[in-house]
Amino acid sequence: GNSVTQMEGPVTLSEEAFLTINCTYTATGYPSLFWYVQYPGEGLQLLLKATKADDKGSNKGFEATYRKETTSFHLEKGSVQVSDSAVYFCALSDSGYNKLIFGAGTRLAVHP
Amino acid sequence: SAVISQKPSRDICQRGTSLTIQCQVDSQVTMMFWYRQQPGQSLTLIATANQGSEATYESGFVIDKFPISRPNLTFSTLTVSNMSPEDSSIYLCSVDWAKDTEAFFGQGTRLTVV
Repeated sequence: GNSVTQMEGPVTLSEEAFLTINCTYTATGYPSLFWYVQYPGEGLQLLLKATKADDKGSNKGFEATYRKETTSFHLEKGSVQVSDSAVYFCALSDSGYNKLIFGAGTRLAVHP
Repeated sequence: SAVISQKPSRDICQRGTSLTIQCQVDSQVTMMFWYRQQPGQSLTLIATANQGSEATYESGFVIDKFPISRPNLTFSTLTVSNMSPEDSSIYLCSVDWAKDTEAFFGQGTRLTVV
């Protein structure tokens, strides 16, 4: 069946450091891929998405590229801020509608 | 975007009882889903709430334990029946309008079973 594997956290970084959170997936066909973020005390929000191979999703300085050859969708940001501290979830959907399969989540803590 | 209201936002319940969680959307939506987020874990899809018919459950979830209603295109309920401490989780409603559009999530209901 379909699945998403994310790097384990927590990830602890200093402000302005480079961030990579790895995400790989297993799926039949060509799923859409997503990164969701859950800030402390808030609901789940879509951060970015990509719907086909080689697409790059980007938002708020975060980027992720849909790599079909490596079945990956790694999240990157060049310079993190304290306000980026949150839990990040990689997810996929193969149904067109957002019936999502989530990774385990990666907690990011950014210190001044 | 959508405004999704979930009620209650949190509750503490006795084991053996049932709790019904409501999800209200401010506009008609095509799809509504219910997820569970157990403590420290990721989200797992419980079921798809189908308007006017029985919900479609994912593997490991059954109607007797998690009955779901969806009487119209803006409202759904999830009941957690005969609760045990293992049911302590955050339950989230998610909505979707059309294929390849963004899914929106409610704020969640934090359930603690004692």
